[in-house]
Formats: sequence, C-alpha cells, structure tokens
Amino acid sequence: GNSVTQMEGPVTLSEEAFLTINCTYTATGYPSLFWYVQYPGEGLQLLLKATKADDKGSNKGFEATYRKETTSFHLEKGSVQVSDSAVYFCALSQGNTPLVFGKGTRLSVIA
Amino acid sequence: NAGVTQTPKFQVLKTGQSMTLQCAQDMNHEYMSWYRQDPGMGLRLIHYSVGAGITDQGEVPNGYNVSRSTTEDFPLRLLSAAPSQTSVYFCASSEGRNNYGYTFGSGTRLTVV
Repeated sequence: GNSVTQMEGPVTLSEEAFLTINCTYTATGYPSLFWYVQYPGEGLQLLLKATKADDKGSNKGFEATYRKETTSFHLEKGSVQVSDSAVYFCALSQGNTPLVFGKGTRLSVIA
Repeated sequence: NAGVTQTPKFQVLKTGQSMTLQCAQDMNHEYMSWYRQDPGMGLRLIHYSVGAGITDQGEVPNGYNVSRSTTEDFPLRLLSAAPSQTSVYFCASSEGRNNYGYTFGSGTRLTVV
C-alpha cells in the first residue's frame, strides 16, 4: 500500500538557518503530495502541495518539489524564524483514498 | 466561515463508556475522514467517507463506528471506550479527489481512564 517516510525529529535550528525536512513516498502511479503544519495546540493546516511530477509547491517561504525519479518531496526554507516552530507532516493522496501521513517532524527554532 | 467544527474539544471517559465525537463541515465537501494522532505515530486513519451514505474503514477502525447520513456531518462513535483509545482525534474534509487538500478541525483530546 501507499506509505510516506519522513526524517525523524526533533530538528533544532537557529533563527535564519536553512531548513530541509526529507520526505519519500511509496505509491503506484502519480499521487498528489502535501506538506501540512501543526502549530502547538492546533489542528493541521495545509502548507503546500504538488499534484504532478516536477511541480513545485510553495507558501510562506517554504518550497517542495515533486521528484518522481527519487519518489521524494523534501521541504525546504531558506531562512527559518522562531514562528516556524511546529510539527511538519508529509502526506500523499491517490484516487479515492484519504491522506496517508508520515509520522511528523518537530521543528524548534531558537532565537 | 466555520470550516470543520469538532465537538467536544476535551473529554474524559471511564473504561467501558460510550460516546460520540461530532464533526460538521459547512463547505459542501464530499470527502470526510477521521484520524487519531498519537505521539511518534503520526496520524492514522480510522474511517472515511466519500459521500453521504458511503463509509469505509481505514487503518485502525476497531472500536469505532461511523455513519454519514448527511453531507455536513460525520460523527465518530466509540462503542466501549478503552485506555488504548486515549488520543487526539481529528476530523477532516475535502472537495474531492486527490488534487485537493483536506481541511482539518481543531481536534478532540480524549482521555480514557
């Protein structure tokens, strides 16, 4: 079945550092790929998405490119802020099936 | 502009009690899902629905029932609560097939003692 694997956390960075959170997936065909963010005490919010190979999703300075050849959708940000501290989830969806999530990566950004 | 509304936000149950977690959306979304979130486990799918009158099981359906009598509502029933069901529960909805993102509710934190 479909699955998502993302890097283990927690990740601790200083403000203005470069962020990469790795995400790889297993699926047949061409799923849609998503990154969700969960701030403390809140539900999940859609951060960005890509629906076909080589698409780049972007939002709030975050980017991720759908790489079919490496089955990856790594999340990047050039300069993180304290307000980016949250848990980040990579997810995929295919056909009629709901989202399948990775286990999440907790990011802490210190000033 | 309510989005996905979950009630209650917090609940404590005794082992063996039953209860219903409510989920309602006002976006006319066809797809709705229930997930549970546990530390180190990410979000795991309990049940989902692709339209009124249609439901299916997810990864961890045991101990839970759902029904979808209207497009707006998708309640989750715990039949006989167990400590293993202590978790945070999220309801989500989507317009349709895999190109669309899901909108999540703010969650219900359930403790079974």
